[in-house]
Amino acid sequence: NAGVTQTPKFQVLKTGQSMTLQCAQDMNHEYMSWYRQDPGMGLRLIHYSVGAGITDQGEVPNGYNVSRSTTEDFPLRLLSAAPSQTSVYFCASSYSESPNTGELFFGEGSRLTVL
Amino acid sequence: AQTVTQSQPEMSVQEAETVTLSCTYDTSESNYYLFWYKQPPSRQMILVIRQEAYKQQNATENRFSVNFQKAAKSFSLKISDSQLGDTAMYFCAFIPSGTYKYIFGTGTRLKVLA
Repeated sequence: NAGVTQTPKFQVLKTGQSMTLQCAQDMNHEYMSWYRQDPGMGLRLIHYSVGAGITDQGEVPNGYNVSRSTTEDFPLRLLSAAPSQTSVYFCASSYSESPNTGELFFGEGSRLTVL
Repeated sequence: AQTVTQSQPEMSVQEAETVTLSCTYDTSESNYYLFWYKQPPSRQMILVIRQEAYKQQNATENRFSVNFQKAAKSFSLKISDSQLGDTAMYFCAFIPSGTYKYIFGTGTRLKVLA
């Protein structure tokens, strides 16, 4: 039972480089989301999706793109990495179309450092 | 703006004792959901307990219980008979009914001492 799988777990980038953080879930969850975790800031929502082809912005979307072509996958793209994007990124999904009544299932996180 | 405040950045408790983590939130919504999540040192976040705002009864899950005071917008977590495995970062989270945007607090780092 894999749950929510994130890759890579660690990544170092240079300023201006692009990359994609992968997130996959095998629970047939409609709702998927990306958060970043920074010291003293808690978790902040970047983007979320309520189903294939449907995405929306969260609290801190600038500098990030997402797409949802399948129920299982929700990749997060950094188009031109900046040092301010150094963070730990978490993908989370929910089993309900109304995630506010459900439980978020988290991946193990991806630690990104931008030099 | 809707916010969640955890005023205790760090706490410690002796094994087998009881500890309470505080959380307050600010919203104009009447219906919403509140959660406590635990993030152990291994980093994977897991749900500890959930409370629906329209339910007056406080939620409990084994050694974990909440004190939900809707009028005061307070949602504290009580851990009884603390165990070494309870050492973790604890996040309070809130989501208004009908939305998809969770709002998390900044977390409380709890250390259980042997």
